[in-house]
Amino acid sequence: ILNVEQSPQSLHVQEGDSTNFTCSFPSSNFYALHWYRWETAKSPEALFVMTLNGDEKKKGRISATLNTKEGYSYLYIKGSQPEDSATYLCALVRLSGGGADGLTFGKGTHLIIQP
Amino acid sequence: NAGVTQTPKFQVLKTGQSMTLQCAQDMNHEYMSWYRQDPGMGLRLIHYSVGAGITDQGEVPNGYNVSRSTTEDFPLRLLSAAPSQTSVYFCASSYSGRARGYTFGSGTRLTVV
Repeated sequence: ILNVEQSPQSLHVQEGDSTNFTCSFPSSNFYALHWYRWETAKSPEALFVMTLNGDEKKKGRISATLNTKEGYSYLYIKGSQPEDSATYLCALVRLSGGGADGLTFGKGTHLIIQP
Repeated sequence: NAGVTQTPKFQVLKTGQSMTLQCAQDMNHEYMSWYRQDPGMGLRLIHYSVGAGITDQGEVPNGYNVSRSTTEDFPLRLLSAAPSQTSVYFCASSYSGRARGYTFGSGTRLTVV
């Protein structure tokens, strides 16, 4: 069983503050690292797919970095807004005999932005 | 509308019954997979497929069966439902596991009594 770990489990942040959280994963057979945003009563939505060591991706106020050698990724949110409240999931894709396997998810970081 | 369609949205089964959760996508995605969501456990991979005719097991495959006869459809079969299979099930598809993120269906909430 793969261990994809996310920390912290939950986070309360004041509106306007910046925040970040961590995803750690085993680095063997690495293929890709995904980040998803999951709002209550909705389905997960893809934020980023990262494949190369040192990758940095950005979408608006949200950015992510990847270190495949040491097995971690950071997600950053700059100037948090109430609409950023959600659970943020990372998921690992590894190489397998058929090419790539499905997503192995961490348990997520539940982010609450307080006005 | 393009996307991943799951049916039914809700289902109640009696222990021992069998049923099929349907998943269809119209985006010509090769990669499809099934997940279950349980409190405190997050999303766990049940089965996945990298193309028509190719399937493989994920983390929690026991009690479930899949087949992929077409690119569009990836049904999940519960062979003999057990209360431990009470969960929310999500189907997802992607162009590839590396280039694009997965698109998720809206989920099926299954209760086994």
